[in-house]
Amino acid sequence: QVTLKESGPALVKPTETLTLTCTLSGFSVSTSGIRVTWIRQPPGRALEWLGRIDWDDGTVYRSSLETRLTISKDTAKNQVVLTMTNMDPVDTGTYYCARTDLNWNYVFDSWGQGTPVTVSS
Amino acid sequence: EIVMTQSPAILPVSPGERVTLSCRASQRVATNLAWYQQKPGQAPRLLIYGASTRAPGIPATFSGSGSGTEFSLSISSLQSEDFALYFCQQYIDWPITFGQGTRLEIK
Repeated sequence: QVTLKESGPALVKPTETLTLTCTLSGFSVSTSGIRVTWIRQPPGRALEWLGRIDWDDGTVYRSSLETRLTISKDTAKNQVVLTMTNMDPVDTGTYYCARTDLNWNYVFDSWGQGTPVTVSS
Repeated sequence: EIVMTQSPAILPVSPGERVTLSCRASQRVATNLAWYQQKPGQAPRLLIYGASTRAPGIPATFSGSGSGTEFSLSISSLQSEDFALYFCQQYIDWPITFGQGTRLEIK
């Protein structure tokens, strides 16, 4: 069974660095064709694509976040990690990770339940 | 970036009814359109991809249609478990963008 589970702090202060972990089960982050994407949802707004990492370590980031965002993977732990620096209250929202199997399609076929993050002093 | 618009934000419907939700793209996306269902506290679930193809395990009560800029998701004979948030997503262009969703509520 394919599952993804996000974890990390629920509260961070402005200017701090956020680190979130997406733990994968039922598939490997290093399998050819696998992509893991981070998506967030600010309160009352639409989902926002943040960036993604592929099985071959290729990454693409939202242009507005390129200087603050890093997505990496730990193959041994089968995890994908999001690091976002210089957090601001506008970064408050629920953060999701989602899987794409490029061998099948370009959509998100499995998602985590999301983890809420509040940026406040 | 392509803006996805869904309306209304909340739609009251009665169990057993057929409902059609709409999604509009600000630019043509061909059929690179997906629909997802989300219930409170749960992960979003892929329903439809390619505008009209049901994802594995999705019942035939769900159907999608459209191409270009206008899309719809229909649910026939609403069951209690269908009352949820539904959102669309385009994947033809970067960044991938989502609609704000339509929430089905029990009338």
